[in-house]
Amino acid sequence: EDQVTQSPEALRLQEGESSSLNCSYTVSGLRGLFWYRQDPGKGPEFLFTLYSAGEEKEKERLKATLTKKESFLHITAPKPEDSATYLCAVLDWDDKIIFGKGTRLHILP
Amino acid sequence: DAMVIQNPRYQVTQFGKPVTLSCSQTLNHNVMYWYQQKSSQAPKLLFHYYDKDFNNEADTPDNFQSRRPNTSFCFLDIRSPGLGDTAMYLCATSRVRGSEQFFGPGTRLTVL
Repeated sequence: EDQVTQSPEALRLQEGESSSLNCSYTVSGLRGLFWYRQDPGKGPEFLFTLYSAGEEKEKERLKATLTKKESFLHITAPKPEDSATYLCAVLDWDDKIIFGKGTRLHILP
Repeated sequence: DAMVIQNPRYQVTQFGKPVTLSCSQTLNHNVMYWYQQKSSQAPKLLFHYYDKDFNNEADTPDNFQSRRPNTSFCFLDIRSPGLGDTAMYLCATSRVRGSEQFFGPGTRLTVL
């Protein structure tokens, strides 16, 4: 059965303290992996798409990487406005989309 | 700005009283999705439309129905809401099946 697991469930960091969020997946065949940011009470906001192992994408303080079994979202020198839930979703070759439960990130000023 | 709009943003209904949630998009995307998201859980796909082609997830309750009268609009009908249907309902669009999705702000539904 296809599965997406995100860790940790929650993470508290001091402003400027870099870290990484993990998304591990088990799917029949990976067609793509997406990262989204979700603020409380709002819909998810698209961040990145990764298609193949070794691929990397960057946007401001965020960098997403992909291997054959997992993806990482690296956050460099985070600011309080980076506080949100970060969701990972995988797309398999049957066009099925599976979301993880997300990592709740809280950046303390 | 091109966007996905959901109405209402908040809806309170009584147990068993039908409710309709609406979604509209100005992105001219072919695919529209409805998700249910409960607190601290992953969004759960209910159904999606690829153009007019309707796709129902196997575990979507029969209580949930959807309509897409045209490219821009999509509706979620809950015929007899139960307490367990209290959740955030998210509408999303994508240009084609499998491309990145753009979400609306959601409708928070409370069933009393």
